[in-house]
Amino acid sequence: AQKITQTQPGMFVQEKEAVTLDCTYDTSDQSYGLFWYKQPSSGEMIFLIYQGSYDEQNATEGRYSLNFQKARKSANLVISASQLGDSAMYFCAMSANAGGTSYGKLTFGQGTILTVHP
Amino acid sequence: EAGVTQSPTHLIKTRGQQVTLRCSPISGHTSVYWYQQALGLGLQFLLWYDEGEERNRGNFPPRFSGRQFPNYSSELNVNALELEDSALYLCASRLDRGYNTGELFFGEGSRLTVL
Repeated sequence: AQKITQTQPGMFVQEKEAVTLDCTYDTSDQSYGLFWYKQPSSGEMIFLIYQGSYDEQNATEGRYSLNFQKARKSANLVISASQLGDSAMYFCAMSANAGGTSYGKLTFGQGTILTVHP
Repeated sequence: EAGVTQSPTHLIKTRGQQVTLRCSPISGHTSVYWYQQALGLGLQFLLWYDEGEERNRGNFPPRFSGRQFPNYSSELNVNALELEDSALYLCASRLDRGYNTGELFFGEGSRLTVL
């Protein structure tokens, strides 16, 4: 079974500063994928970034980067230069198989509410 | 290209009633997932359909059911509604062919209130 743990119910950051959202995971799968999604108050889930378990380099997408530490089973999201529009709920998720078919379901953490102050 | 579309966006039901939620995946996507998100909580996996078959089911009672049609659209049915069924129901689709990251593409959800 897969499990995602997000220990920060809420985080605050000043506009233009960087913030790290924590995520740890547990799985017995050798091949898996890790994801971060953003959920604004409107409810839609927006895909931010992906990291495959066999990827040696940390994933980056614009202001988002994923700090992947496989031995520690952590996949923290780093948002650089925070903007007011970054205020939202952030979910870490994982699925079996990194790349290829037959992924199965995504298992989500409980989420972290990020508030960006001007 | 159209994203995942869900209907209705909002609905109110009373206890004991039945509800049907609908989802159209992104064109070309064959897998549809349903998640329940109760207020302030994370996403709980409900159902996964692929090529018309139910592939996996979350820890929900049998009154939660669904199906996938030949055009890959999907319905989620909830019978004998209970107050705790009040939630945002999110549908997502994915292309389960070839090499890709496996990300899910979500619709905007159907917000169900049970009174």
